[in-house]
Amino acid sequence: QSALTQPASVSGSPGQSITISCTGTSSDVGGYNYVSWYQQHPGKAPKVMIYEVSNRPSGVSNRFSGSKSGNTASLTISGLQAEDEADYYCSSYTSSSTGVFGTGTKVTVL
Amino acid sequence: QVQLVESGGGVVQPGRSLRLSCAASGFTFSSYGMHWVRQAPGKGLEWVAVIWYDGSYKFYADSVKGRFTISRDNSKNTLYLEMNSLRAEDTAVYYCARNNIGAPNWFDPWGQGTLVTVSS
Repeated sequence: QSALTQPASVSGSPGQSITISCTGTSSDVGGYNYVSWYQQHPGKAPKVMIYEVSNRPSGVSNRFSGSKSGNTASLTISGLQAEDEADYYCSSYTSSSTGVFGTGTKVTVL
Repeated sequence: QVQLVESGGGVVQPGRSLRLSCAASGFTFSSYGMHWVRQAPGKGLEWVAVIWYDGSYKFYADSVKGRFTISRDNSKNTLYLEMNSLRAEDTAVYYCARNNIGAPNWFDPWGQGTLVTVSS
């Protein structure tokens, strides 16, 4: 149950697009379309932004999109806004019927 | 509205036990799988355990297997996490989260968390 690998930090200017990667194995990310993404502001509980690789829950901005290729999933934030500055975590279902989170990425809006 | 409220956190000595609770409201609790997820101070999220909607299946992270037990009481709309043989590395904010129907590993919503500190 090793954590999925994410870049420690990603930054962008307002209005730009950024992409966060999430790399696992064929036993988790690559084996199932059950990857989800969470946004966490300091001192707050996480909030789901994407589920099942690319689906957006109601109420989440369409500036957030997800995709997957092989063992790597990605979250793209387009039209970056100040409120998007937060920590982001990916998560995947695994072949052991457990869950696993990514190492987390701190997004900074310059 | 859908709400999850954790309780039971506190300071506990290494080797001792603690039970966390998660009170659910605003939805049919008995229809949903439930998870515990933890976050050590200044660290990332770590998945801990899941229990199916009817309690028939339970799965654990290797780091807690054999020490932690997840359970639920659907008549009380409450999820539990019994933590035994606690270690310093179990110090974290513990969140409960609902698994939305239709897709495993879709945590929504989350509770506000309860802090467990393991220290002598």
